[in-house]
Amino acid sequence: QKEVEQNSGPLSVPEGAIASLNCTYSDRGSQSFFWYRQYSGKSPELIMFIYSNGDKEDGRFTAQLNKASQYVSLLIRDSQPSDSATYLCAVRGAETSYDKVIFGPGTSLSVIP
Amino acid sequence: NAGVMQNPRHLVRRRGQEARLRCSPMKGHSHVYWYRQLPEEGLKFMVYLQKENIIDESGMPKERFSAEFPKEGPSILRIQQVVRGDSAAYFCASSPLIGLNTEAFFGQGTRLTVV
Repeated sequence: QKEVEQNSGPLSVPEGAIASLNCTYSDRGSQSFFWYRQYSGKSPELIMFIYSNGDKEDGRFTAQLNKASQYVSLLIRDSQPSDSATYLCAVRGAETSYDKVIFGPGTSLSVIP
Repeated sequence: NAGVMQNPRHLVRRRGQEARLRCSPMKGHSHVYWYRQLPEEGLKFMVYLQKENIIDESGMPKERFSAEFPKEGPSILRIQQVVRGDSAAYFCASSPLIGLNTEAFFGQGTRLTVV
């Protein structure tokens, strides 16, 4: 059974600090990695995806992927209270068109003003 | 361009009744995923469908649950003889025929309450 693991949190950071969210996955064949944000009572929305080793930056967000260590992370710089949400790591397996996306349990982030 | 549409947004059923949840994917999307989310928990994969085909239903309970995505019309998740443990948010996501970086877009979810 493919698994995606995250620290459940809650993770609390002061406003303006860097929030670091981590995710590990069990399937070495995994190819695509996604970070979603979910506000309470709302649906998940995509923040970033990454599929190559290394860093990918988009504004205040940086995704980092290390396939050898089966590890993907999300850094949020200059954290804002509006970033307070649950962050879901998601992983898609093979390169074929027909592999499902598996989600981790999510990490709850609280940015303290 | 409408996003993924789910209805109803809220559904209340008595134990033993049937629940039918609908999902209309984004225009041009041929793949649909259904996920269940219990309170304070993550998204649990249930089923992955393409038009007229079930690709992967490994996350769906063998009893009482079924899903379809017909050639015409929305995808339907059907729960027969609902029990209180079925109370959850059910999310549908859709994506086009995919490559490595194709994301799935989520609908607003259907919140099922079994009383």
